[in-house]
Amino acid sequence: KAGVTQTPRYLIKTRGQQVTLSCSPISGHRSVSWYQQTPGQGLQFLFEYFSETQRNKGNFPGRFSGRQFSNSRSEMNVSTLELGDSALYLCASSPSAGPLNTGELFFGEGSRLTVL
Amino acid sequence: AQKITQTQPGMFVQEKEAVTLDCTYDTSDPSYGLFWYKQPSSGEMIFLIYQGSYDQQNATEGRYSLNFQKARKSANLVISASQLGDSAMYFCAMREPYNNAGNMLTFGGGTRLMVKP
Repeated sequence: KAGVTQTPRYLIKTRGQQVTLSCSPISGHRSVSWYQQTPGQGLQFLFEYFSETQRNKGNFPGRFSGRQFSNSRSEMNVSTLELGDSALYLCASSPSAGPLNTGELFFGEGSRLTVL
Repeated sequence: AQKITQTQPGMFVQEKEAVTLDCTYDTSDPSYGLFWYKQPSSGEMIFLIYQGSYDQQNATEGRYSLNFQKARKSANLVISASQLGDSAMYFCAMREPYNNAGNMLTFGGGTRLMVKP
């Protein structure tokens, strides 16, 4: 069974540009969530999508957005890039969501973004 | 207040010995889940073990076990018979499905484990 796939793995952008990252969850998983990892702030939750609907959003500015398609694949977009957006962006998938969810969350290898 | 606290920024362990990584948490959610992940230098977060708040027994997965003490709000990871490949960052995380109605994880700051040959 294929794991969570994130593309691209590495990318370099300059300030002011925008970037789109892609995440393909494990087959059958309907929940996709995104995390930002930086040395200073650690791992922070960005947002989660379930059945094409955003369920949760972390404390990030509106420049960070995302969406989920009908096949559960998800994309996140960061517009007007800033130096502080340099980070490892991790995607996680889970088969379910909700208060009774005890499912595991599986992560991809991440997309490492460098903003110059 | 920190929701997930990992008090050991770095630890050394001798190969083949056991090691315990500490994790304490804080939540008002009646039903929560606790996770441990391993992150090698490649960056991927590797799922190790999961403990639900209502699970009666401590979770075990191969060489990994979770010492879950609900009253003390601690969920320490025990790695038995350490191997050189265990050298990595280890993160404790919590899901609070009622508070967040989803799969949002709150992570601790991590512990860097280094296994000595």
